Amino acid sequence: DQQVKQNSPSLSVQEGRISILNCDYTNSMFDYFLWYKKYPAEGPTFLISISSIKDKNEDGRFTVFLNKSAKHLSLHIVPSQPGDSAVYFCAASVSDYKLSFGAGTTVTVRA
Amino acid sequence: DAGVTQSPTHLIKTRGQHVTLRCSPISGHKSVSWYQQVLGQGPQFIFQYYEKEERGRGNFPDRFSARQFPNYSSELNVNALLLGDSALYLCASSLEGQSSYNEQFFGPGTRLTVL
Repeated sequence: DQQVKQNSPSLSVQEGRISILNCDYTNSMFDYFLWYKKYPAEGPTFLISISSIKDKNEDGRFTVFLNKSAKHLSLHIVPSQPGDSAVYFCAASVSDYKLSFGAGTTVTVRA
Repeated sequence: DAGVTQSPTHLIKTRGQHVTLRCSPISGHKSVSWYQQVLGQGPQFIFQYYEKEERGRGNFPDRFSARQFPNYSSELNVNALLLGDSALYLCASSLEGQSSYNEQFFGPGTRLTVL
């Protein structure tokens, strides 16, 4: 049973514009959410996270928003850069080590 | 500093065989987790080991087993390989195994193909 869902398999955005990636979850017990970025032939790398007690966390060009009532989170990348072209995974956990991942969204930033 | 390393990078096996995948965590990290990523899906949790003890297991059959050594490196073993075991196997290490609040650092993975 897929508890974390990323319904958009791909996203194309022009350089300099905003990229918005969405993620939905079904397990109301999730209390920690993460975004990972993955380049081909490399493992996922941690990008940004948010605890369930917050609704927003910002780190440079990356901002994650959490809407607990809707069981929805999003990642905003502003401005998008060519190096941001990668697969982005949303992940969640219930105060433990086990991460549940979404299927990923492939972002392509066009020059 | 070296990141998480995994070996081999690629592997081809036939159905029914067994395979051993290896992972070396970042120096100082005591926890290792294994994930399976099938094409088109996100990584699925298989095991976590902390201080050489199994801390958790995902929804995988008993054909999958793992262990952690005194130097905190780890092996993932899969017996009686099936076609569906073809996947990218990712290893992640973290300082401690108590919580995902300890960032998990992933290796590049081992690509297993079962023919």
